[in-house]
Amino acid sequence: NAGVMQNPRHLVRRRGQEARLRCSPMKGHSHVYWYRQLPEEGLKFMVYLQKENIIDESGMPKERFSAEFPKEGPSILRIQQVVRGDSAAYFCASSPPTDRGSGYTFGSGTRLTVV
Amino acid sequence: SQQGEEDPQALSIQEGENATMNCSYKTSINNLQWYRQNSGRGLVHLILIRSNEREKHSGRLRVTLDTSKKSSSLLITASRAADTASYFCASSEYGNKLVFGAGTILRVKS
Repeated sequence: NAGVMQNPRHLVRRRGQEARLRCSPMKGHSHVYWYRQLPEEGLKFMVYLQKENIIDESGMPKERFSAEFPKEGPSILRIQQVVRGDSAAYFCASSPPTDRGSGYTFGSGTRLTVV
Repeated sequence: SQQGEEDPQALSIQEGENATMNCSYKTSINNLQWYRQNSGRGLVHLILIRSNEREKHSGRLRVTLDTSKKSSSLLITASRAADTASYFCASSEYGNKLVFGAGTILRVKS
């Protein structure tokens, strides 16, 4: 079981470009969460998805950010027209469909740098 | 802000000593979880305590929960240099979303 896979590990984009971050949840997990972490800070919730559905996007900026979790393939977090303030570590986590008391499983994150 | 708070922000102790970290949260919860993050890495789940539990143990970890005060504490006994990391509490409201605190940076000196 490979756990939660995120790629790329590091991503450098120029201002105005698009960033696509991918997350493959742990086998058997149908819930995916995206979090953003700024240096020396905790994780800020962005969005919670299940297959083909956005369940809670209350933490997503209203513009430029979108997320999807298609029926086939990984979950994608997409940031259009990136700005320097988007530079952060983006973490994906997954959990099983029912609460087993085991918490989330996190990926290693994608570190986005906007230059 | 929806985030809870943790204290201390940073803690430095000698190997073998105990480390205690505290966490406060803001809403009614289903459960509260603690995670560890080593520098530059993802978070690792340590322990989960449900809202109807008051104390839970896992190896050298002891977690308490006081829902009347909306607070929790994590105790690491007999600390080791390998325990050096950031520790985060996360409150789970009904609906699966976790809300993380700002974290405590623990440094264990050998």
